[in-house]
Amino acid sequence: NAGVTQTPKFQVLKTGQSMTLQCAQDMNHEYMSWYRQDPGMGLRLIHYSVGAGITDQGEVPNGYNVSRSTTEDFPLRLLSAAPSQTSVYFCASSYFGQVTDTQYFGPGTRLTVL
Amino acid sequence: AQSVTQLGSHVSVSEGALVLLRCNYSSSVPPYLFWYVQYPNQGLQLLLKYTTGATLVKGINGFEAEFKKSETSFHLTKPSAHMSDAAEYFCAVSATSGTYKYIFGTGTRLKVLA
Repeated sequence: NAGVTQTPKFQVLKTGQSMTLQCAQDMNHEYMSWYRQDPGMGLRLIHYSVGAGITDQGEVPNGYNVSRSTTEDFPLRLLSAAPSQTSVYFCASSYFGQVTDTQYFGPGTRLTVL
Repeated sequence: AQSVTQLGSHVSVSEGALVLLRCNYSSSVPPYLFWYVQYPNQGLQLLLKYTTGATLVKGINGFEAEFKKSETSFHLTKPSAHMSDAAEYFCAVSATSGTYKYIFGTGTRLKVLA
């Protein structure tokens, strides 16, 4: 199993550009989520999905869109990048998203918005 | 509402010394508590978790943590630090039912001195 994979590893954008961060998992997990990690702030939940076709907002959803057309993939879209979105983004998955499930994290995407 | 406080953003210990990373939580309902480790340029990995039952929880790599309800604490310890323990450690709290939404602490970076 590859586990949770994320692409790209690094990305530099200019303000106003759009892009999609890719996340895929091969563990047949129903629950997937996106976090952003900022210095001194820990990880904050952006969006999550409990299954194909079902998504919901987390703590900091503004400026981001998600969709879940398959169990395996959960892309995160930045519609119009802003410097405040400079961060490290982590995708995570678990079987059902219940509190007793273990979450598996991808290696992260480091995004810089100029 | 739930919150997590990690005391000390940076902790240094000598190789072979005791590791103690502090975590205090606030929760209006019985919490589930987690410790994650993040090695450089990698995603987060679950070290251990407390859900129910024994309050002393053993995790991977020789780490353990004790849930103390009276002190609202879940401190992480390891009797003897190893160079490979150098990483960032995150404490997280979650509600005990439903789809989880972790609240992460701000992290503690552990440095191990030779």
